[in-house]
Amino acid sequence: GQSLEQPSEVTAVEGAIVQINCTYQTSGFYGLSWYQQHDGGAPTFLSYNALDGLEETGRFSSFLSRSDSYGYLLLQELQMKDSASYFCAVHTGGFKTIFGAGTRLFVKA
Amino acid sequence: EAGVTQFPSHSVIEKGQTVTLRCDPISGHDNLYWYRRVMGKEIKFLLHFVKESKQDESGMPNNRFLAERTGGTYSTLKVQPAELEDSGVYFCASSETGSDGYTFGSGTRLTVV
Repeated sequence: GQSLEQPSEVTAVEGAIVQINCTYQTSGFYGLSWYQQHDGGAPTFLSYNALDGLEETGRFSSFLSRSDSYGYLLLQELQMKDSASYFCAVHTGGFKTIFGAGTRLFVKA
Repeated sequence: EAGVTQFPSHSVIEKGQTVTLRCDPISGHDNLYWYRRVMGKEIKFLLHFVKESKQDESGMPNNRFLAERTGGTYSTLKVQPAELEDSGVYFCASSETGSDGYTFGSGTRLTVV
């Protein structure tokens, strides 16, 4: 079957750095995406990695290692507003994307 | 640009009743997706439209679920008759190319009692 594994919860302090890992096992792979969702809101696209390496967008960076079927989302200079759920997602081909169960990030003062 | 809108935002129905969810994608987005999240679990793929055609409906749980996208614009997802296990948040997303990031709606929270 196809699966994505990510931690269910992570807690960090305001101003700190946090890394959310994602490992995947899928029948096809075109790229890894990350989405942020605040309670009651829509999941919002953050980043997409099709090739190995690190992509940086402001305080957020995303990394992919295709050989390890692994990626992570790195959040720097954490702010209270970063408290949300973060989902990794794999584009498996045929324009189909499958999602993980999400990691709930709690940022404490 | 207007985002993806879903209606209703919440719905509480009794087991055995029928509910119809609606999604209006971003104008011009040919790709429309339905997903469902049951509490604490993954956002699970249900189906994918390209314009008015069903490209992939492999995630539809059973024949109580019917999705349509007449005219290739808005889509509806009907559950008939609803069962308790159908409870969850139903998300709709749209994408221009299908390979770029999706734009999600805020979801419809369905509770079957």
